[in-house]
Amino acid sequence: SAVISQKPSRDICQRGTSLTIQCQVDSQVTMMFWYRQQPGQSLTLIATANQGSEATYESGFVIDKFPISRPNLTFSTLTVSNMSPEDSSIYLCSVVPIRNTEAFFGQGTRLTVV
Amino acid sequence: QKEVEQNSGPLSVPEGAIASLNCTYSDRGSQSFFWYRQYSGKSPELIMSIYSNGDKEDGRFTAQLNKASQYVSLLIRDSQPSDSATYLCAVNRDDKIIFGKGTRLHILP
Repeated sequence: SAVISQKPSRDICQRGTSLTIQCQVDSQVTMMFWYRQQPGQSLTLIATANQGSEATYESGFVIDKFPISRPNLTFSTLTVSNMSPEDSSIYLCSVVPIRNTEAFFGQGTRLTVV
Repeated sequence: QKEVEQNSGPLSVPEGAIASLNCTYSDRGSQSFFWYRQYSGKSPELIMSIYSNGDKEDGRFTAQLNKASQYVSLLIRDSQPSDSATYLCAVNRDDKIIFGKGTRLHILP
């Protein structure tokens, strides 16, 4: 597996502002993903973070709202832009280590927009 | 049809009994299948992965895969109260991990 550090663990933000979530892994990984989990719901894939290029977004998610960076094989950020209360959710970073097919999760970021 | 389907539960099982969790998937091209456990307020943790038809055992857990029927299951033997959690079935589709909605399992002491 991999040790994944996700920051912040939680935050309360004002509507209209933006929050950047960081995901740092202790070893190189092939795949990095960002998920959203709304209260009582399962995980919804937002996008695949691609190293050195634009992220690949799932249907219903756009770059302007959720810009993602992945400058190297161990780090990625997700920004939630122009937040509204509907963005209140848990955001999770997930990684697939090199020579592995299994995905592992960070601790998650619990976001509340007021 | 949803890509990964699970009964949301809750599934109540007496302590010491076998808990059986089921999952179906829609993409016949999927090759990798996973079960995760998620406690309330925590992130998902991987329990089992399975790639070929048949059974795979790890301690009290057995994953079963039937690609012809597009069916994956997880058996938990000698269920313990600490097994009470939401169990998420996941499938690798085009290098993305897609999750079902999860089944809530409640082990009755």
